[in-house]
Amino acid sequence: TQLLEQSPQFLSIQEGENLTVYCNSSSVFSSLQWYRQEPGEGPVLLVTVVTGGEVKKLKRLTFQFGDARKDSSLHITAAQPGDTGLYLCAGVVGARTYKYIFGTGTRLKVLA
Amino acid sequence: GAGVSQSPRYKVAKRGQDVALRCDPISGHVSLFWYQQALGQGPEFLTYFQNEAQLDKSGLPSDRFFAERPEGSVSTLKIQRTQQEDSAVYLCASSFLILHTGELFFGEGSRLTVL
Repeated sequence: TQLLEQSPQFLSIQEGENLTVYCNSSSVFSSLQWYRQEPGEGPVLLVTVVTGGEVKKLKRLTFQFGDARKDSSLHITAAQPGDTGLYLCAGVVGARTYKYIFGTGTRLKVLA
Repeated sequence: GAGVSQSPRYKVAKRGQDVALRCDPISGHVSLFWYQQALGQGPEFLTYFQNEAQLDKSGLPSDRFFAERPEGSVSTLKIQRTQQEDSAVYLCASSFLILHTGELFFGEGSRLTVL
């Protein structure tokens, strides 16, 4: 059972376009992470957000943690073919636990 | 290498066979996780170790699945009497921290196909 629902499930866009990926849950998370996974590889961490309302920027990527710590978004500006991959959010419920729950995933394809 | 190493990368098993998947975490990492990932989906939690102690095995699908980490480093995920629904990529991840903000370092996964 996935507690974290991501939308959209698939996204195919042209190079240079902007996009937003959403990660939603009815549960409150102590922290939330975003990972990117390429075919045949394991997920690689992009960012960790901890505080409700927190916004973090990583070059063309902007991550936001919802005020209530139940949702998050990832915005990519001027997407490039190198951004292609499976984007995964992962959250931990409770402050004293280790159990990372992953979202359903958003598969992004950026066309040159 | 310095990363998480998993073997075998690919495994084809006939239904009913037993398989063993190995994970070599990053040296010094306390936490070790096993996840199961179906094609195009997010990883599903299987089990968690803190050093040699298996603190959570709530995600193991059935009693055919067994994991161990006897010396607190290398871990093995064993699947007995494999079924077709066991076909998936099995990912191992390790983390230096036991806090919820710790980064998970993943291996490349072991792709299991059960015929």
